[in-house]
Amino acid sequence: GAVVSQHPSWVICKSGTSVKIECRSLDFQATTMFWYRQFPKQSLMLMATSNEGSKATYEQGVEKDKFLINHASLTLSTLTVTSAHPEDSSFYICSARETGYSYGYTFGSGTRLTVV
Amino acid sequence: GQQVMQIPQYQHVQEGEDFTTYCNSSTTLSNIQWYKQRPGGHPVFLIQLVKSGEVKKQKRLTFQFGEAKKNSSLHITATQTTDVGTYFCAGPIYTGNQFYFGTGTSLTVIP
Repeated sequence: GAVVSQHPSWVICKSGTSVKIECRSLDFQATTMFWYRQFPKQSLMLMATSNEGSKATYEQGVEKDKFLINHASLTLSTLTVTSAHPEDSSFYICSARETGYSYGYTFGSGTRLTVV
Repeated sequence: GQQVMQIPQYQHVQEGEDFTTYCNSSTTLSNIQWYKQRPGGHPVFLIQLVKSGEVKKQKRLTFQFGEAKKNSSLHITATQTTDVGTYFCAGPIYTGNQFYFGTGTSLTVIP
C-alpha cells in the first residue's frame, strides 16, 4: 500500500534556530500534501496545503513566513519551522494520497519537535 | 474554529460493550472519512463514505453518513482492547481541497 515517510521522527532544537521536516511519498506521486499540527490529546489542526510546483495554501492564523513549505517534486514536501520558539513545540504530521485517487490519505509517522 | 465536532470527547467502555461516536459538520460534506489514531501513533484511514444515507460495515465497525451529508457515525459492536485509540472523522469542508479533521473521540476499553 501507499507509504509516506516523514523525517525526522523527533528533533530538539534551540530557540531561534530553524528545523526542516521532510515528507516523502515512497511509492506514489502526490500533487497535494497536507501539513498538520497536533497538541497532546487534541485533534489534528490543518496548517497548510502543499501544492507541487506552486505556493502552499496556509490556513488562517498560520504564519507563512514562519512555517515555510516547499513542494519541489511530486514525492517530496518540506516544512521548515524558522526561528523556532518553545511555543512551536508540537507534533507535526504530513499526509498525502496518490494524484487522481479519491480514497483515504496516508499519513507520515509524524515529527515531535521540542524547542528549548 | 473547529468546523467538525465529535461527541463524546472521551468514552470508557467495558470490553464487550458497544461504542458509538458521532460527527457533525457545520457544512455539507462531499464525502467523509474516518481515521483511527492509536496512542503515540499516526492516523490510519478506515473508510470513506460518499453517498447520502450510506452505510458501510467493516467486521464489528459500522459507519453511517447522514441523509443531509452533514453528520456521520461510527459504531463498534462488542469492543475489544485492540479498539483503543482516538477516532476521527474528516472531510473537505470547503470547495477547495483542504482536508479537515473532527475533534475526535478517545476510546478506552477496560478489560
